[in-house]
Amino acid sequence: QVQLQESGPGLVKPSETLSLTCTVSGYSISSGYYWGWIRQPPGKGLEWIGSIYHSGSTYYNPSLKSRVTISVDTSKNQFSLKLSSVTAADTAVYYCAAAAAAGFYFDYWGQGTLVTVSS
Amino acid sequence: AIRMTQSPSSLSASTGDRVTITCRASQGISSYLAWYQQKPGKAPKLLIYAASTLQSGVPSRFSGSGSGTDFTLTISCLQSEDFATYYCQQYYSYPQTFGQGTKVEIK
Repeated sequence: QVQLQESGPGLVKPSETLSLTCTVSGYSISSGYYWGWIRQPPGKGLEWIGSIYHSGSTYYNPSLKSRVTISVDTSKNQFSLKLSSVTAADTAVYYCAAAAAAGFYFDYWGQGTLVTVSS
Repeated sequence: AIRMTQSPSSLSASTGDRVTITCRASQGISSYLAWYQQKPGKAPKLLIYAASTLQSGVPSRFSGSGSGTDFTLTISCLQSEDFATYYCQQYYSYPQTFGQGTKVEIK
């Protein structure tokens, strides 16, 4: 059973970089799957941020592309999100997720972590 | 980006009711559509993919249909544990996009 767990600071200052890590257990990232980050502002809907294949190929939401970097560390079985120049609008619960099948729907999710952008 | 529009945004229903939620895509997405259920404070849970395929372990009272631009999620006999918010997601093209959600509340 694939399990995902987000970690990182819960508070980030405006204009700084948000950094989160997703640790995967129960499956080796280097074996396959499609890994993604999704966020949800308080009381609002879901927004796909971007995804990465086990090969390292990345896909980003154009609305965030200039500020987002997603990477994989196969030695630690982790993948990471960096979002630069954050503002209050980036305050959200951030989820990491995995798409195991050929389609890009997410069948495994982390529990989510709230990141607040505030000085 | 493909816009996904769900209706209604919220609904009130009773246990045992049949509930239908609609999701419309701004352009054709074939059957590249998933449905998720989200309860307060929890991560979304995949219910259906490929528009109509039930994820393993999901009760058979959930069903999905549609292709192209119009899709539906039906709960045939609403149970207490089904009160939640439901989201559709298209994965036909990047960026993947979600509907705004439909909150199913107790009448």
